Amino acid sequence: AQTVTQSQPEMSVQEAETVTLSCTYDTSESDYYLFWYKQPPSRQMILVIRQEAYKQQNATENRFSVNFQKAAKSFSLKISDSQLGDAAMYFCAYHGSSNTGKLIFGQGTTLQVKP
Amino acid sequence: DGGITQSPKYLFRKEGQNVTLSCEQNLNHDAMYWYRQDPGQGLRLIYYSQIVNDFQKGDIAEGYSVSREKKESFPLTVTSAQKNPTAFYLCASSWLAGGYTATQYFGPGTRLTVL
Repeated sequence: AQTVTQSQPEMSVQEAETVTLSCTYDTSESDYYLFWYKQPPSRQMILVIRQEAYKQQNATENRFSVNFQKAAKSFSLKISDSQLGDAAMYFCAYHGSSNTGKLIFGQGTTLQVKP
Repeated sequence: DGGITQSPKYLFRKEGQNVTLSCEQNLNHDAMYWYRQDPGQGLRLIYYSQIVNDFQKGDIAEGYSVSREKKESFPLTVTSAQKNPTAFYLCASSWLAGGYTATQYFGPGTRLTVL
């Protein structure tokens, strides 16, 4: 069975600095998708970034980028120029080709942004 | 204004009662999902549906039921058989593409509390 692990329950970063959130996963599939979702205090899950496993190029979305290491099964999220609005819980999620309909989530990392 | 709506935002249930959580989407998405989130944890899949009048159990379907009579609606009923229903419930939807379920987008959630 596939699993997703986020080993950092809490992280903090100074405003305008850069922070990296870690995520590792375990799978025997070759085709899959990886996601980072943000859950602010409102608790709505917001898609941050998505990576297709067949793409070697790391995905980027403005200040958010990933470091996707397929062989190491690692999928970290880098937030550059951190802003107060980035404070939230961040979830890494996996969707495999055989998991029709199912996202597998990590436990989440709470990010604090200090002014 | 396209999106996913969930109602109510807060719901209180007495012991032994069934309650129904509403989820509606106007994104013309094919697939819809229900997740449960407990404090400090990631999301777990309850049920999902890829087409009208068809749905599949997720990891924690016991004590829950769903229906999919319309493409845009996927209500979740929490029955009295669910032993610990107090949680945050999130509905999501996505396109189906190439046999793989694509990126899931989430509604604002419903907080259910058992009195």
